[in-house]
Amino acid sequence: EPEVTQTPSHQVTQMGQEVILRCVPISNHLYFYWYRQILGQKVEFLVSFYNNEISEKSEIFDDQFSVERPDGSNFTLKIRSTKLEDSAMYFCASSENRDSYEQYFGPGTRLTVT
Amino acid sequence: LAKTTQPISMDSYEGQEVNITCSHNNIATNDYITWYQQFPSQGPRFIIQGYKTKVTNEVASLFIPADRKSSTLSLPRVSLSDTAVYYCLVGSPSGSARQLTFGSGTQLTVLP
Repeated sequence: EPEVTQTPSHQVTQMGQEVILRCVPISNHLYFYWYRQILGQKVEFLVSFYNNEISEKSEIFDDQFSVERPDGSNFTLKIRSTKLEDSAMYFCASSENRDSYEQYFGPGTRLTVT
Repeated sequence: LAKTTQPISMDSYEGQEVNITCSHNNIATNDYITWYQQFPSQGPRFIIQGYKTKVTNEVASLFIPADRKSSTLSLPRVSLSDTAVYYCLVGSPSGSARQLTFGSGTQLTVLP
């Protein structure tokens, strides 16, 4: 069964550093998403991406965040200058169909900012 | 997206059928009902989606009454591995709003 993969599984970084989280969505999917989940809290939407541009973004997704699909398989989330409050699990998701809430999530990257 | 209300937690025993009910009084005509499952430190996993009456797949059944103001996720014969958080989401995936909005979910604990 095809699945979304994410690397690294765990990233530790110092405050102010840039991090790039990587995702490989399911190959025939066209819609890509990033979510995050702070420990013990809800899963929160960050951004959706389609046709090489951002479709929607939440208030969390400020100028410190960016997304990119650098090639035909990878989908990345960059945080330019990390803050302590960016510590969370970051989930990538993809979907084949625009008109469905059936999204496939990756295993997540645990980001720890010290 | 319509506001949803579901129990914070539920306990069950192995082999029992579990029914988790979600209330969504303000559901709109075009809204679908979707359920996700999340294990600790893992991404959410799509379980089932429906619009009305009953939907069944290999994992669960979803019962939606005629007024659609609530829905019930039914898990047959649960096992310990079904211990997870279950989320009910309500919304219309058409148009531009495709992001998933998760609430606090229902923590299901299956006991031996």
